[in-house]
Amino acid sequence: GAVVSQHPSRVICKSGTSVKIECRSLDFQATTMFWYRQFPKQSLMLMATSNEGSKATYEQGVEKDKFLINHASLTLSTLTVTSAHPEDSSFYICSAILLIGGGNEQYFGPGTRLTVT
Amino acid sequence: KQEVTQIPAALSVPEGENLVLNCSFTDSAIYNLQWFRQDPGKGLTSLLLIQSSQREQTSGRLNASLDKSSGRSTLYIAASQPGDSATYLCAVTGFKTIFGAGTRLFVKA
Repeated sequence: GAVVSQHPSRVICKSGTSVKIECRSLDFQATTMFWYRQFPKQSLMLMATSNEGSKATYEQGVEKDKFLINHASLTLSTLTVTSAHPEDSSFYICSAILLIGGGNEQYFGPGTRLTVT
Repeated sequence: KQEVTQIPAALSVPEGENLVLNCSFTDSAIYNLQWFRQDPGKGLTSLLLIQSSQREQTSGRLNASLDKSSGRSTLYIAASQPGDSATYLCAVTGFKTIFGAGTRLFVKA
């Protein structure tokens, strides 16, 4: 099946620094990718839709200047958490859409655990 | 706005019991519904994907059904095992994918 990878799987950074998380579709091209975050013991919340070659679409309440998304190629989307603070500590998961026939399937990455100290 | 609800929020059963997890959604205009498993501190493991035109999907001891008109899906787990202990998430995809809050399952040996 289709595989989506994320790098890094785990990162610890100091408050005020920026962190970049990569999401790659390994064996298919994805014009659309999604970024989610998950707080402890809570479900996944959609942050933004990443579209190749165009600006990302952010969900209500998500700061676009803080969470920078770049979908520069059909296999790579990046999420940069700028000026990270402890409240940004979370589990970030990306997904990529694979178009199949008349429908689509969504494949999820393994997630990146961000801890801001 | 799509809302996805999962009931129960938590469930504890003895090993060997058959169980049903429920997922309901408010907007029936969906492409598909997917059930995932998530172990503590880990990512998502896809269990079953049901396209909007389908009624059910089966994989091993798992069976998922979809009733789009009533906005409901169930995940049936037969002969539960301690290794089934995890959080089970329901995700509904329409224009966006919306996740339920999950059901935390604990199967006692």
